[in-house]
Amino acid sequence: AQRVTQPEKLLSVFKGAPVELKCNYSYSGSPELFWYVQYSRQRLQLLLRHISRESIKGFTADLNKGETSFHLKKPFAQEEDSAMYYCALTPDSWGKFQFGAGTQVVVTP
Amino acid sequence: DGGITQSPKYLFRKEGQNVTLSCEQNLNHDAMYWYRQDPGQGLRLIYYSQIVNDFQKGDIAEGYSVSREKKESFPLTVTSAQKNPTAFYLCASSIEGRVYNEQFFGPGTRLTVL
Repeated sequence: AQRVTQPEKLLSVFKGAPVELKCNYSYSGSPELFWYVQYSRQRLQLLLRHISRESIKGFTADLNKGETSFHLKKPFAQEEDSAMYYCALTPDSWGKFQFGAGTQVVVTP
Repeated sequence: DGGITQSPKYLFRKEGQNVTLSCEQNLNHDAMYWYRQDPGQGLRLIYYSQIVNDFQKGDIAEGYSVSREKKESFPLTVTSAQKNPTAFYLCASSIEGRVYNEQFFGPGTRLTVL
């Protein structure tokens, strides 16, 4: 069965410091991976997806198939990055998503 | 906002009563989903529907039921058989149920069973 693990429930970083959110997955096939974000009092929304190879709001995520990881990184955290972040995967069939438990990021000035 | 609406925002019910949560979308999306969000557990899929008049069980379907009579609407009924119904419920939709398509989420309904 597919599984997504986000080992950190809470990450507290200072503004300007690098931030890395860990995501590990288990799935026997080739899943597609996503990061979703939920800012305070806003809806859950897509941050980025692996297939797009994009950088959104300074965040990037690298898929490491050997380590089955999809960690999210940003070199310089900003206060507006404070939010709940969810890693998600969907198998190579159609969009039945599996979400991780989420990591709360708090960026302090 | 707009696109996907969920109502009501807060819902209180007595134990043993069925309750229906509304989800409507005007994005012309084919696929719709219901998730349950609990602290420390992320989002868990309850039911999903790829097209009208068709839906599939997710990972935690027991005690829930859905219908998809219209493309725009995907109501979720929490039945008295659901042992722990108090939770935050999220509805989502996507253009079609394909791997690469983004899911758009509603604002959620917080259900409290007294």
